[in-house]
Amino acid sequence: QKEVEQNSGPLSVPEGAIASLNCTYSDRVSQSFFWYRQYSGKSPELIMSIYSNGDKEDGRFTAQLNKASQYVSLLIRDSQPSDSATYLCAVKVAGKSTFGDGTTLTVKP
Amino acid sequence: IAGITQAPTSQILAAGRRMTLRCTQDMRHNAMYWYRQDLGLGLRLIHYSNTAGTTGKGEVPDGYSVSRANTDDFPLTLASAVPSQTSVYFCASSDSSRGEAFFGQGTRLTVV
Repeated sequence: QKEVEQNSGPLSVPEGAIASLNCTYSDRVSQSFFWYRQYSGKSPELIMSIYSNGDKEDGRFTAQLNKASQYVSLLIRDSQPSDSATYLCAVKVAGKSTFGDGTTLTVKP
Repeated sequence: IAGITQAPTSQILAAGRRMTLRCTQDMRHNAMYWYRQDLGLGLRLIHYSNTAGTTGKGEVPDGYSVSRANTDDFPLTLASAVPSQTSVYFCASSDSSRGEAFFGQGTRLTVV
């Protein structure tokens, strides 16, 4: 079992819809959770971090964490074509971040 | 401009040659990391350093070495390159207390 697993996608949603990206992790002692966005040919950029159970909202983005279920998700409301990218989930344990393979999102106009 | 600088941006390297990828940050972050990203895959950790003077092995360390002589620099060396090391290499840094990583622009390395 991989340490961090994401739906491989690709995920396609129409413009204005909600995009839901999911991630599960295997190490129960994980404390820090991150979502990065990576455009094709570019480096990853941090869009959300979450450290405690529940929801964290930042503009159109909401991160949700459930430590009991070892599950973290990212919701993108009012999706825009500019949101089309690969989204990487990362989990930090013992000073090291482990990344999932990413989910590619396409938002169609 | 504050951030992380990697050099070179791309390189074609003959198999068996030695190569050092450079990484410099000016954010005074304690922790630095090297990842490789192969086509269609996520990031795999090669080596990391939580503070100057210390380093650790990540998920895929074989064939690579690192050093951390000071806070700002974290070079990655391929002692004898092989074609399977063809990849995009990303350097990253973080304030270790928070863990949010900031990435350089990447180095695209092709070993032929």
